[in-house]
Amino acid sequence: NAGVMQNPRHLVRRRGQEARLRCSPMKGHSHVYWYRQLPEEGLKFMVYLQKENIIDESGMPKERFSAEFPKEGPSILRIQQVVRGDSAAYFCASSPPGQGVGEQYFGPGTRLTVT
Amino acid sequence: GQSLEQPSEVTAVEGAIVQINCTYQTSGFYGLSWYQQHDGGAPTFLSYNGLDGLEETGRFSSFLSRSDSYGYLLLQELQMKDSASYFCAASGGYQKVTFGIGTKLQVIP
Repeated sequence: NAGVMQNPRHLVRRRGQEARLRCSPMKGHSHVYWYRQLPEEGLKFMVYLQKENIIDESGMPKERFSAEFPKEGPSILRIQQVVRGDSAAYFCASSPPGQGVGEQYFGPGTRLTVT
Repeated sequence: GQSLEQPSEVTAVEGAIVQINCTYQTSGFYGLSWYQQHDGGAPTFLSYNGLDGLEETGRFSSFLSRSDSYGYLLLQELQMKDSASYFCAASGGYQKVTFGIGTKLQVIP
């Protein structure tokens, strides 16, 4: 059973470009969470999605950031017009239905660098 | 909202026991989880306490007291590979999870 997959692992963008981060949850998992982590800091919740639904996006900046989890395909976190402050590690996690949020499985992360 | 407090750093000797505490303030609380993260790696799930008491998984145990809004992670027979950051995370309403800032554990010979 493959774990949570994220790609790309590393992404370099110039200021003003768009960044697209992809996440495929573990097989059988229907809940996807996105987190941002700055160096030496904790994980900041961004958004929680189920298939075709955004359940909670309270941690996501209202401008330039969006997320989706379509019926088919991976979940995508999209950052438009990136700025240097967006440089961080972005982790995706998934959990199985009925398990609650207490047990999440993380992907390897995407390290975004904005130059 | 939710906030969690845990020590920023802990140092312990190989073979010893270490306890990492976590206190939380929440509006709506379901349970407390613990995650391990090595430098440059992804967080790895360790344990979840939905009920008061002790949960044991091998060398790691986790405890929760809802009345005290407190929990801890206990690591026994410390090994060098246990050097990592450990995060407590509170599950609240609407499936939201809030992570603490993490405790950096250094295991020394």
